[in-house]
Amino acid sequence: QQKVQQSPESLTVSEGAMASLNCTFSDGTSDNFRWYRQHSGKGLEMLVSIFSDGEKEEGRFTAHLNRASLHVSLHIREPQPSDSAVYLCAVSPNRIFFGDGTQLVVKP
Amino acid sequence: EAAVTQSPRNKVAVTGGKVTLSCNQTNNHNNMYWYRQDTGHGLRLIHYSYGAGSTEKGDIPDGYKASRPSQENFSLILELATPSQTSVYFCASGELGGSAETLYFGSGTRLTVL
Repeated sequence: QQKVQQSPESLTVSEGAMASLNCTFSDGTSDNFRWYRQHSGKGLEMLVSIFSDGEKEEGRFTAHLNRASLHVSLHIREPQPSDSAVYLCAVSPNRIFFGDGTQLVVKP
Repeated sequence: EAAVTQSPRNKVAVTGGKVTLSCNQTNNHNNMYWYRQDTGHGLRLIHYSYGAGSTEKGDIPDGYKASRPSQENFSLILELATPSQTSVYFCASGELGGSAETLYFGSGTRLTVL
């Protein structure tokens, strides 16, 4: 079964500094990758989806995919305190598997 | 915008009691899902449905039942609740299915079983 692992478990950055989150997956046939954000006590909000190697930008959020390395990352440009949340990586072929998440704290 | 509503937001139940968690979506999506979220396990799929009248087992279905009486509503039922089922439960709806599916999540139900 697909294994999805995220790192780091937690990350603290200063407002305006780039935040980088990582996700590795085990199934090389995976073809769909999404990053979700979850504010405390809330549901999940999709930020960006990517289907092919390279990068995909959605506003301040950029996903990078390297399927040969089984790795997808999320970079947040100019993070703000309101970006403080848990970020979840979701990977699929067919069914969606989630990582455990990275807790991001953005300090003013 | 896609809307998924869960009720209740919080629930305290006793061991051995019956618990029903409800989910309503106004997206007209065929697919609906129930996940639980626990520290160290991420989101795990319990049951899902492809449409009214259908329910399928996910990765951790033991101890749970599901009911999809209509396109809009999908319930998760714990017939005999146990403390190990203390968790946060999320409902989601989606369309297209498979790897192309985008899921829309509710705000979650925090269940505590004493």
